[in-house]
Amino acid sequence: DTGVSQDPRHKITKRGQNVTFRCDPISEHNRLYWYRQTLGQGPEFLTYFQNEAQLEKSRLLSDRFSAERPKGSFSTLEIQRTEQGDSAMYLCASSLGGGRHYGYTFGSGTRLTVV
Amino acid sequence: KQEVTQIPAALSVPEGENLVLNCSFTDSAIYNLQWFRQDPGKGLTSLLLIQSSQREQTSGRLNASLDKSSGRSTLYIAASQPGDSATYLCAAPHSGGYNKLIFGAGTRLAVHP
Repeated sequence: DTGVSQDPRHKITKRGQNVTFRCDPISEHNRLYWYRQTLGQGPEFLTYFQNEAQLEKSRLLSDRFSAERPKGSFSTLEIQRTEQGDSAMYLCASSLGGGRHYGYTFGSGTRLTVV
Repeated sequence: KQEVTQIPAALSVPEGENLVLNCSFTDSAIYNLQWFRQDPGKGLTSLLLIQSSQREQTSGRLNASLDKSSGRSTLYIAASQPGDSATYLCAAPHSGGYNKLIFGAGTRLAVHP
């Protein structure tokens, strides 16, 4: 297994456009998480899935954000009508259960720049 | 509510020094704590995962300790090298559920030759 994969690595978009990111977790991991990280800060939780069910969403996840995990495999994070404040690194992670025994594995992230 | 703090925010040392990075957390009812490394513009690489039943965990030149009673963890880096330059993040499980990690803001380490 090659770990958690994220695509694209970088995305530059104009304000007001929609963007979609993809995350492929480790295949045997049933939980998948999205985090956002701004410069100089630690990652902040956005949402997580257990299999295909989205079980929690942070208040940071405004109604312009939507995440899906069809069939409990890969996940997509879509941002509609992007704003400059959405510029950040978007990180995906996966874990077996709650990460109690093996922790979390993160991907390489998608760097979003809104111009 | 779990809160994680890391001290110092930044550290610059000459090559060869032994370092201690500090992490404190407010809710000690955790089952583990995880240390990550992040290179500029990159994702997170897991360094060490310490279970609550352990007091220390070692990987090469890295040693992490966990003291739940005091709400503290330390990451010790022996004989630092320029390649160790990165941001080091610690993360603890959120209070009341095993559904997310809470991160500190990180310690930005620069090791110069």
